[in-house]
Amino acid sequence: QKEVEQNSGPLSVPEGAIASLNCTYSDRGSQSFFWYRQYSGKSPELIMFIYSNGDKEDGRFTAQLNKASQYVSLLIRDSQPSDSATYLCATKAAGNKLTFGGGTRVLVKP
Amino acid sequence: NAGVTQTPKFQVLKTGQSMTLQCAQDMNHNSMYWYRQDPGMGLRLIYYSASEGTTDKGEVPNGYNVSRLNKREFSLRLESAAPSQTSVYFCASTDRPGGRIANYGYTFGSGTRLTVV
Repeated sequence: QKEVEQNSGPLSVPEGAIASLNCTYSDRGSQSFFWYRQYSGKSPELIMFIYSNGDKEDGRFTAQLNKASQYVSLLIRDSQPSDSATYLCATKAAGNKLTFGGGTRVLVKP
Repeated sequence: NAGVTQTPKFQVLKTGQSMTLQCAQDMNHNSMYWYRQDPGMGLRLIYYSASEGTTDKGEVPNGYNVSRLNKREFSLRLESAAPSQTSVYFCASTDRPGGRIANYGYTFGSGTRLTVV
């Protein structure tokens, strides 16, 4: 079992809808959680991080964390075609190493 | 600022050849990392350097060596390339050494696409 699990997708959403991405992790020592966006052929770029239980909002993005359930999610509101990408979930335990999930591919259809 | 610079961007090697992937950052970051990315596998850590003068193995270190040349530069060497090392390699850096809850993610380089035939 991978330490960080994501549904590979593709997750197909119509333009303007909400895209909901899920991520589960196995290491209870994980302290910080990150969402990266990666366009095809490009490097990952950080879009959100969260370390406290609950919701964190940044523009059209909302990250949700539930440490008891070892679950972190990302909501993309008002999805745009430019949001079509692979979204990588990552966790950080003590130290400074990130462990990544396999990524979820999102397709936003006009 | 250039951020994290990787060279080369593309490389084709024959089985058994050696090469070094170069990485340099200009953000004065302490920690640097090498990841490989394969389809469906996400990013897997090969080696990392928490600070200048230190290096440690990650999840998939076999077949690789690293050198933290100075605070800016962290190189990855393949001594005898194998087809299983065909991948996209990313270098990344960050600040805030471990030991505290850190909210800082990584800054990634643009990647090196390596094909071993």
